[in-house]
Amino acid sequence: ETVMTQSPATLSVSPGESATLSCRASQSVRSNLAWYQQKPGQAPRLLIYGASTRATGVPARFSGSGSGTEFTLTISGLQSEDFAVYFCQQSTTWPPMYTFGQGTKLEIK
Amino acid sequence: QMQLQQWGAGLVKPSETLSLTCAVSGGSFNSNYWSWIRQTPGKGLEWIGEFSQTGTTNYNPALKSRVTISVDTSKSQFSLKMTSVTASDTALYFCARVAFISGYYPFDIWGQGTMVTVSS
Repeated sequence: ETVMTQSPATLSVSPGESATLSCRASQSVRSNLAWYQQKPGQAPRLLIYGASTRATGVPARFSGSGSGTEFTLTISGLQSEDFAVYFCQQSTTWPPMYTFGQGTKLEIK
Repeated sequence: QMQLQQWGAGLVKPSETLSLTCAVSGGSFNSNYWSWIRQTPGKGLEWIGEFSQTGTTNYNPALKSRVTISVDTSKSQFSLKMTSVTASDTALYFCARVAFISGYYPFDIWGQGTMVTVSS
């Protein structure tokens, strides 16, 4: 099983600044990497798939990069609604398996 | 716009069977993969299994012996049954659609979540 490790666990950033979240896979997942945002009491929301492609309706301030084992989610010009928990997730097609990172909580500094 | 609405028992006794159902509306049921995912404070998000448009099911090996995902295409619904539950199965359970986008398989549509507590 591919283990996904996110860092840091908590990130404190001021509104208007940028945040960089990291995700590392225990083995190569190529570009099979997605990022999700989750707010309290809500289901996760897909932000990025294919490591760098924004999902429909996701603002351009969200960007993803990386491939293989190292991935980054960057949020530029943080807005109040961006403070949430972010998860990365990898998928393998055979055998089918999906695993998530433990999450990074982005909080207001 | 496609939506997923889920429901099921919120309290299950230890050793009994957890049952949840997810209804799909606003889009094609037969041309998608459908998954169940759960979330706990300790283990985070954990994929449970999926039902594919070809009629096959795939499960997380860690849960495979206790889980069954079934489908009622006439109602555009899919269900999760998990047997012999213990306190460690207490979690927030989500249903979700597996999207197929340019060779990638993210979960793009989610149900609202159902909190299931295992307790006597």
